[in-house]
Amino acid sequence: NAGVTQTPKFQVLKTGQSMTLQCAQDMNHEYMSWYRQDPGMGLRLIHYSVGAGITDQGEVPNGYNVSRSTTEDFPLRLLSAAPSQTSVYFCASSYGIGTGELFFGEGSRLTVL
Amino acid sequence: RKEVEQDPGPFNVPEGATVAFNCTYSNSASQSFFWYRQDCRKEPKLLMSVYSSGNEDGRFTAQLNRASQYISLLIRDSKLSDSATYLCVVNNFNKFYFGSGTKLNVKP
Repeated sequence: NAGVTQTPKFQVLKTGQSMTLQCAQDMNHEYMSWYRQDPGMGLRLIHYSVGAGITDQGEVPNGYNVSRSTTEDFPLRLLSAAPSQTSVYFCASSYGIGTGELFFGEGSRLTVL
Repeated sequence: RKEVEQDPGPFNVPEGATVAFNCTYSNSASQSFFWYRQDCRKEPKLLMSVYSSGNEDGRFTAQLNRASQYISLLIRDSKLSDSATYLCVVNNFNKFYFGSGTKLNVKP
């Protein structure tokens, strides 16, 4: 059972570069979301989606874009990487529209130099 | 003000001890509540949902107090394997808010 798959697991970028973190789930979950986790700050919601074609902003959306063209995929794009975006990124999905258990990917560790 | 606040700990307890964690949330309209467990450098995983009536899962008991806007987790007969960070999570209208986590170290 794949569950939620994130790629890449590790990435080093230079300031100003762009990249996409991939997230895919095979559980037919309508709800998907992206979080960043920084030391001592817990997880913070970046963007979320309640279904294909629908996205919305979370707590810390600046510098990130998302799209949801299919139920399975929810990529996160960093437009112009900054050192402040160095973090661990988690993708999560849920069978409920934002009320059920969150299933997480294993995380992507991003360093921006 | 943070949506969810937790004592970061660490809580250092011996095996067999009972330990309790609390967290508070700021939005009285919050809809659903959870405790997640996160091991070092791993993804969070659901420990249990939290209901006003209280719920128990083996050695773990969770309680929600809507009037005071706090959530509790009680762990009885602590095991070494319970060592982890425990995250309090609140859902408001499709947005999940996480506390910063409470670290538990269970010592032999």
